[in-house]
Amino acid sequence: GAVVSQHPSWVICKSGTSVKIECRSLDFQATTMFWYRQFPKQSLMLMATSNEGSKATYEQGVEKDKFLINHASLTLSTLTVTSAHPEDSSFYICSARDDRRIYGYTFGSGTRLTVV
Amino acid sequence: GIQVEQSPPDLILQEGANSTLRCNFSDSVNNLQWFHQNPWGQLINLFYIPSGTKQNGRLSATTVATERYSLLYISSSQTTDSGVYFCAVRRKTGNQFYFGTGTSLTVIP
Repeated sequence: GAVVSQHPSWVICKSGTSVKIECRSLDFQATTMFWYRQFPKQSLMLMATSNEGSKATYEQGVEKDKFLINHASLTLSTLTVTSAHPEDSSFYICSARDDRRIYGYTFGSGTRLTVV
Repeated sequence: GIQVEQSPPDLILQEGANSTLRCNFSDSVNNLQWFHQNPWGQLINLFYIPSGTKQNGRLSATTVATERYSLLYISSSQTTDSGVYFCAVRRKTGNQFYFGTGTSLTVIP
């Protein structure tokens, strides 16, 4: 079955530093990947849509300079939280759409970011 | 966007009990998935079920697309079932998934 690996599972960083989260499709190609964010005790909200070889599309209210997305290959998208602050602490999760299947969306297991 | 409501918001069960979680959505969808977020935050896919019924061990799910709801059944609950259960839906057009508000389940021994 389709597997999406997200790394790291959790990370603690100091304020002002940058953190990179990887989302990798292991056994399929994904032209399109998605990044979601979950605030404490809340549901998941779409942050941006990542397209291989082109700029990401950000949802309203999401700072594109704060959350840098790079989708350089058909199996890897990265989300970099730049100059992280405590309010960026959250659970981030990616999803990848299998190019072979119209309805094939697979989610990673998520990354918990804590900024201290 | 699509409104996705889950009920109940919180549920406490004695180990061994059964439960039914509900997901209502406001528009036609062609993709519906149930997830379990464990206490460590990891999101685990339980079912891809845009319609019909599926079973996997003690869990089963039913989606009635024409009436815009889905049900997740947990039988003989165990403490490891604790966590938050989300349903997420996607329209026929577009890639975005809309997540429900979640049901927080606590199973006590």
